[in-house]
Amino acid sequence: KAGVTQTPRYLIKTRGQQVTLSCSPISGHRSVSWYQQTPGQGLQFLFEYFSETQRNKGNFPGRFSGRQFSNSRSEMNVSTLELGDSALYLCASRTSGRYNEQFFGPGTRLTVL
Amino acid sequence: DAKTTQPNSMESNEEEPVHLPCNHSTISGTDYIHWYRQLPSQGPEYVIHGLTSNVNNRMASLAIAEDRKSSTLILHRATLRDAAVYYCILEGGSEKLVFGKGTKLTVNP
Repeated sequence: KAGVTQTPRYLIKTRGQQVTLSCSPISGHRSVSWYQQTPGQGLQFLFEYFSETQRNKGNFPGRFSGRQFSNSRSEMNVSTLELGDSALYLCASRTSGRYNEQFFGPGTRLTVL
Repeated sequence: DAKTTQPNSMESNEEEPVHLPCNHSTISGTDYIHWYRQLPSQGPEYVIHGLTSNVNNRMASLAIAEDRKSSTLILHRATLRDAAVYYCILEGGSEKLVFGKGTKLTVNP
């Protein structure tokens, strides 16, 4: 089985722009979660989607949004980028069962200049 | 979400056992204890999880205290590849993983 894939792997944007990141979960996985990782704050949960519905949300401003498609692929969008949005954005997928292990992708490294 | 407390760093020698502690005194009865690790320049990787009983898998063992207020991840024979940041996480009804700072494990050859 192919693992979780994220595109692009690296991205450079300037303040004020918006960005869309993509995540393809493992085949058969219906839950996709997004995390932000920075040196200062560590790994922080952004949101989780299950069957095209947002099921959980972390404490991030409304500039961060996401969606999930019928094939379970997910996108995450950040509008009006700020310097502090520079981070590694990680996507994880798992089966529908609760408390099952999550499989993480390699992440997208976003740099905001 | 209940919090966990881990030492910032630990050191071990190759081929020796490693015991990574985690305190979670505010754990609730339905919280699962998860361990993930993150190798340099990679996404986190699942290690093991449990609820009440001790658990073993090919990677590690998880020892859970009887009162569930603490747990220990045991790597039976550390290898250089085990050098990583290890995260102890509680997952409750919200079904989201809340990562702490983790323990950075250094394995000496």
